[in-house]
Amino acid sequence: RKEVEQDPGPFNVPEGATVAFNCTYSNSASQSFFWYRQDCRKEPKLLMSVYSSGNEDGRFTAQLNRASQYISLLIRDSKLSDSATYLCVVNPSGTYKYIFGTGTRLKVLA
Amino acid sequence: NAGVTQTPKFQVLKTGQSMTLQCAQDMNHEYMSWYRQDPGMGLRLIHYSVGAGITDQGEVPNGYNVSRSTTEDFPLRLLSAAPSQTSVYFCASRTDRGFPRGNYGYTFGSGTRLTVV
Repeated sequence: RKEVEQDPGPFNVPEGATVAFNCTYSNSASQSFFWYRQDCRKEPKLLMSVYSSGNEDGRFTAQLNRASQYISLLIRDSKLSDSATYLCVVNPSGTYKYIFGTGTRLKVLA
Repeated sequence: NAGVTQTPKFQVLKTGQSMTLQCAQDMNHEYMSWYRQDPGMGLRLIHYSVGAGITDQGEVPNGYNVSRSTTEDFPLRLLSAAPSQTSVYFCASRTDRGFPRGNYGYTFGSGTRLTVV
């Protein structure tokens, strides 16, 4: 089993739609979680950290479910500019390593 | 602040050649890492450093060396290039300052696209 798994997509959604991605992780002791966004041929950029209580940043909401070992990203009122690949990142407890998922591709359609 | 600066942006090497990918950060971050990104495989950790003078291997270290003589610089050396090392290489840095609510995700450089022929 991969340490971090994501549905590769693509998720094709119309403008204004709400879309959600999940990411599962295998190490139950993982302590830090993030969502990154990566545009084509660009570097990954931090979208948001994921806190145990869940957190929101504008149209983006991140949740952590430790019991089922997954994190989620919800995007409301999708914009064309949200089209990108979204990477899930997990930091297993006791290590300095950040493990990246292979990403979920989102296409927002006009 | 420039953030994380990588050079060169593009490079073509012949099999067997060696080269150094440069990475520098001006944010006084403790941690630095090198990743490679290949289609369908995501970002894989090559080497990382938790501070000046301290480095360790990641998931795919073979064929690469690193050193961290200063906080700012973390070069990646390809010892004898092979076609399997054709990839996009990203350097990244982060800090634990502000834990647990600070911004301690990685900041990435813009990448080096390497082709080995």
